[in-house]
Amino acid sequence: DAGVTQSPTHLIKTRGQQVTLRCSPKSGHDTVSWYQQALGQGPQFIFQYYEEEERQRGNFPDRFSGHQFPNYSSELNVNALLLGDSALYLCASSLDTGSLKETQYFGPGTRLLVL
Amino acid sequence: DAKTTQPTSMDCAEGRAANLPCNHSTISGNEYVYWYRQIHSQGPQYIIHGLKNNETNEMASLIITEDRKSSTLILPHATLRDTAVYYCIVLSHAGGTSYGKLTFGQGTILTVHP
Repeated sequence: DAGVTQSPTHLIKTRGQQVTLRCSPKSGHDTVSWYQQALGQGPQFIFQYYEEEERQRGNFPDRFSGHQFPNYSSELNVNALLLGDSALYLCASSLDTGSLKETQYFGPGTRLLVL
Repeated sequence: DAKTTQPTSMDCAEGRAANLPCNHSTISGNEYVYWYRQIHSQGPQYIIHGLKNNETNEMASLIITEDRKSSTLILPHATLRDTAVYYCIVLSHAGGTSYGKLTFGQGTILTVHP
């Protein structure tokens, strides 16, 4: 049973560029959440996708956007990169069973460095 | 903001039980207590969760006080591989500000030493 996978594992970009990170959820899961983890901090919630729509959003600017595909995989896009966007980006998947939300399982993350 | 309070760091001898406390005095009735851990530079790993009853799985036990204002994660026989940052999180399964999103605090750095 494949767990959550993310690609790429590492990425280096320069300020002003755009980046796309990818996530494949755990088999059987339909909900994908994205988190940003700066060095020395706990992960911070960016947004969550369910049924191909953004369902919840954390306190992140519009430069951060996402997409969910019919196969439940997801992308995180960040435009106009800033040095402060350097972080570990984590994807978590879960299964939404109506009123009962299932546990979120994390992938290994993508380490983004903005120069 | 995180709704939990945890000690910054703890030490434990290998083979002994590690007891990690968490305070969540403002927890509401529909919020669960979740525990995750993160080993350096890896994604957080789910450990256990509970609502009001004590829970046990192959990794750990979770003891929640009767008033639900605090809990303790117990690793019964700690090994060096249990050295990690442990996060206690409250999460709603049905609405409210904590619905569906994990809000991580600073966590507890657990160091298991030989």
